[in-house]
Amino acid sequence: EAEVAQSPRYKITEKSQAVAFWCDPISGHATLYWYRQILGQGPELLVQFQDESVVDDSQLPKDRFSAERLKGVDSTLKIQPAELGDSAMYLCASSPRDSGLRNEQFFGPGTRLTVL
Amino acid sequence: AQSVTQLGSHVSVSEGALVLLRCNYSSSVPPYLFWYVQYPNQGLQLLLKYTSAATLVKGINGFEAEFKKSETSFHLTKPSAHMSDAAEYFCAVTQGGRDDKIIFGKGTRLHILP
Repeated sequence: EAEVAQSPRYKITEKSQAVAFWCDPISGHATLYWYRQILGQGPELLVQFQDESVVDDSQLPKDRFSAERLKGVDSTLKIQPAELGDSAMYLCASSPRDSGLRNEQFFGPGTRLTVL
Repeated sequence: AQSVTQLGSHVSVSEGALVLLRCNYSSSVPPYLFWYVQYPNQGLQLLLKYTSAATLVKGINGFEAEFKKSETSFHLTKPSAHMSDAAEYFCAVTQGGRDDKIIFGKGTRLHILP
């Protein structure tokens, strides 16, 4: 069964350092999402791609966060510099182009970031 | 603006007992509604979804949910809890357009007592 892949699964870093997360969506899925999930809360959308284009990045802290999906397949989310408040689970999800599944999103296992 | 409210951040039930996790939504248009489950240190897995067809939706692992427009609710139930059901459950809402956001609730952690 096809799955969304993410790496690394866990990342510990010190504040002011740079970190990067990688996501490989399910093959053929045009839409890719990055979410941040703070402990005890639901996921919050950071950025949404349709192919290689950003559809929504209104909640992305652009002074320190960046995301790219250059070839419309895999994606990288970067934080520079990391702050203590960035400690969270970062989830990637993808959804099919137009399958009638109406926003059904398939999630990867996530990357748990701890900033010391 | 859409939103979901999950009543109870923690719910405990005995093994074999009924599971009831509550979700109320707010939406200005007919919504699409989802329940997701998250096991520790894992991503979210879709349990079931409501997309304006049947109001009683059956999902995986024996879970089901009923859409009640008059009560703006979409509560999740399972007749008999198993130890393996212990996890975090998230209710979510969207308007259903391709670029529409999914808005997640804060989650309910389900504890199963032996």
